[in-house]
Amino acid sequence: KAGVTQTPRYLIKTRGQQVTLSCSPISGHRSVSWYQQTPGQGLQFLFEYFSETQRNKGNFPGRFSGRQFSNSRSEMNVSTLELGDSALYLCASRQGTGDTGELFFGEGSRLTVL
Amino acid sequence: AQTVTQSQPEMSVQEAETVTLSCTYDTSENNYYLFWYKQPPSRQMILVIRQEAYKQQNATENRFSVNFQKAAKSFSLKISDSQLGDTAMYFCAFMKRSSKAGNMLTFGGGTRLMVKP
Repeated sequence: KAGVTQTPRYLIKTRGQQVTLSCSPISGHRSVSWYQQTPGQGLQFLFEYFSETQRNKGNFPGRFSGRQFSNSRSEMNVSTLELGDSALYLCASRQGTGDTGELFFGEGSRLTVL
Repeated sequence: AQTVTQSQPEMSVQEAETVTLSCTYDTSENNYYLFWYKQPPSRQMILVIRQEAYKQQNATENRFSVNFQKAAKSFSLKISDSQLGDTAMYFCAFMKRSSKAGNMLTFGGGTRLMVKP
């Protein structure tokens, strides 16, 4: 069974640009959540999608957005990039209801903003 | 809101020895999960062990065990017979358990563990 797949793994952007990151969850998992990991702020929750609906959102500005498709794949978008957006963005999937609560993480997308 | 605190930014242990990583949390919830996740240098986060708050028995997974003290809001991880492959960042995490809570994990700041040969 394939794990959580994130693309691209690495990318470099300049300030003011926008970026889209993709996440394919484990087959059969309906819930996808996103986390930002930085040395200064640690791991912070961005948002979560379940059955194409955003269920929870963390404390991030509106420049951060996401969506989920009918096949459970998810994308997140960051517009008007700032230097502080440089981070490892982690996607995690979960089966949904009635499971053990475990999240399965992808390897992440490393974003560098110059 | 929940908070998770890991007071040991870095720790080291000799191979084959035992080490304990500390974690405390603050919440007003009664039904929740606690997790320890491991993030090796390759970066993929993997689950080490989980504990359901309503279970009094401490969880164990092979060489990994927890000491869950609900009243004290403490959740420490003990690694026995440490191996070189245990070298990683370890994160303690909290998740509310409800159908509406979703998948929001609140993480501690992490403990960098180095296992020395």
